[in-house]
Amino acid sequence: GQNIDQPTEMTATEGAIVQINCTYQTSGFNGLFWYQQHAGEAPTFLSYNVLDGLEEKGRFSSFLSRSKGYSYLLLKELQMKDSASYLCAVRDSNYQLIWGAGTKLIIKP
Amino acid sequence: DTAVSQTPKYLVTQMGNDKSIKCEQNLGHDTMYWYKQDSKKFLKIMFSYNNKELIINETVPNRFSPKSPDKAHLNLHINSLELGDSAVYFCASSQTANYGYTFGSGTRLTVV
Repeated sequence: GQNIDQPTEMTATEGAIVQINCTYQTSGFNGLFWYQQHAGEAPTFLSYNVLDGLEEKGRFSSFLSRSKGYSYLLLKELQMKDSASYLCAVRDSNYQLIWGAGTKLIIKP
Repeated sequence: DTAVSQTPKYLVTQMGNDKSIKCEQNLGHDTMYWYKQDSKKFLKIMFSYNNKELIINETVPNRFSPKSPDKAHLNLHINSLELGDSAVYFCASSQTANYGYTFGSGTRLTVV
């Protein structure tokens, strides 16, 4: 079966750095996405990786290793507004998105 | 200016009723989707549809049916609502050759 694993919840301090990991087992691979979802709101697109390596976008970076079936989202200079769920999703060989359950990130002052 | 809009935002209804949720996108995307997000926050694909193909998640009961009057709209009809249908339903769209989905704001359905 297809599976996306990420931690259920993480806690970090304002101003710090946090890394959210995602491992996947899917039938084929056509890209990995990270989305942010604030409570009661829709998911919003953060990043996309299809090749191995690090993609940096401001305070957020996303890394992919296809051989290891692994990705992480790195958030720097954490702000209170970063408190949200972070969803990892993989597009499989049929171009369907397989979603993880999300990691709830709690930022403390 | 809303890219993907769905209505209503909240829907409370009794078991056994039939209801519809509407979705419209003005992004010119080729493909639209319906997702269900349950209390455990899993996003589960229900349908994906473009002007060529409707893909149905086989686990979705046939009480759920998508209706697409045109490329910019994909409505969700639900017959004989059950308590277990209570969830947040998200509409989304994407460009086939592009990446990233744009989501609507969600419809919180509560069946009582």
